[in-house]
Amino acid sequence: KAGVTQTPRYLIKTRGQQVTLSCSPISGHRSVSWYQQTPGQGLQFLFEYFSETQRNKGNFPGRFSGRQFSNSRSEMNVSTLELGDSALYLCASSEGSYTTSEQYFGPGTRLTVT
Amino acid sequence: GEDVEQSLFLSVREGDSSVINCTYTDSSSTYLYWYKQEPGAGLQLLTYIFSNMDMKQDQRLTVLLNKKDKHLSLRIADTQTGDSAIYFCAESLNAYGGATNKLIFGTGTLLAVQP
Repeated sequence: KAGVTQTPRYLIKTRGQQVTLSCSPISGHRSVSWYQQTPGQGLQFLFEYFSETQRNKGNFPGRFSGRQFSNSRSEMNVSTLELGDSALYLCASSEGSYTTSEQYFGPGTRLTVT
Repeated sequence: GEDVEQSLFLSVREGDSSVINCTYTDSSSTYLYWYKQEPGAGLQLLTYIFSNMDMKQDQRLTVLLNKKDKHLSLRIADTQTGDSAIYFCAESLNAYGGATNKLIFGTGTLLAVQP
């Protein structure tokens, strides 16, 4: 089975722009979660989607949004970028509707805001 | 509350055992995980333990869970230079009224293996 894929792998944007990141989960997995990783704050939960519905949301401003499509692929969007949004954005894929034992992460998208 | 803590750094010699420790605060955790992150890479799932277990062994990895003290440890036997990485523990939480796959991560422990 192919693993979790994230595109693009690297991105450079300027302040005020917006960005869309994509995540394709493992085939058959229906849950996708997004995390932000920074040196200062560590790994922080952004949101979680299951069957095209947002099931849980972290403590991030409304500039951060996401969605999930019927094929389970997910996108996250950050509008009006700030320097502090520079981070590694990771998505995680898991199988089903209940708290599952195995969550697999993609390689991440490295976003740099200048 | 949601808080997971780890020591920041551990240095061992090749061939020795490494023990990475983690404490968590939420007693409703269902699964506890160990992930490995190498430079510039994503998170690799190493192993996990269900909250009603005390121990799990998987080849060179042994996970111990003390639920009373909310303490989790990862022991790596015969540590190799390729084990040098950052190790994160994480807990999954049950959301009231529904399931969730949300993970709360620790701060990460940098394991340095000296040849």
